[in-house]
Amino acid sequence: QKEVEQNSGPLSVPEGAIASLNCTYSDRVSQSFFWYRQYSGKSPELIMSIYSNGDKEDGRFTAQLNKASQYVSLLIRDSQPSDSATYLCAVNSGGYQKVTFGTGTKLQVIP
Amino acid sequence: EAQVTQNPRYLITVTGKKLTVTCSQNMNHEYMSWYRQDPGLGLRQIYYSMNVEVTDKGDVPEGYKVSRKEKRNFPLILESPSPNQTSLYFCASSPVEYQPQHFGDGTRLSIL
Repeated sequence: QKEVEQNSGPLSVPEGAIASLNCTYSDRVSQSFFWYRQYSGKSPELIMSIYSNGDKEDGRFTAQLNKASQYVSLLIRDSQPSDSATYLCAVNSGGYQKVTFGTGTKLQVIP
Repeated sequence: EAQVTQNPRYLITVTGKKLTVTCSQNMNHEYMSWYRQDPGLGLRQIYYSMNVEVTDKGDVPEGYKVSRKEKRNFPLILESPSPNQTSLYFCASSPVEYQPQHFGDGTRLSIL
């Protein structure tokens, strides 16, 4: 069983729409959750971090965490073609020292 | 400028020839980590380090060695590289393990 699971996509949304990306994790004691964006051939860059249940908003991005259901999601409002990338979910697990990444969801924003 | 620097960026080598990929960060971060990224498998953690002289295995440590003699440096050593270690490698650092990581630009290794 994968520790962090994401739908690989591609997820296609029209420009201006809301993109919803989901991630589930298996380690109940996980405490830190991250969303990274990775353009093709580039290194991952942090979009959002979230540590407690609920929503966290930063500009067009909202991260949502539900520890009871063991999922974390990322909403991108007013999606732009420049948002087209692979989005990686990462979770601190294994006593908070190891970091486990999902395989990523590829997002395509159609102009 | 805060950064994680990896060298080399690209390397083509042959099976069995020892190689080292260097990683250096200038942010005084305690936590450093190495990942490999393969199509369909995502980023997988090879080794991580909580601080100087403190290292531990990640999910795919076989065939790799690391050392952390200085806080800023965390080299990845392949003592006897094999073709299944052909991959894209990333070094990353963070202030502590539960905070977001800052990634280097990556090293693309091809082992023939």
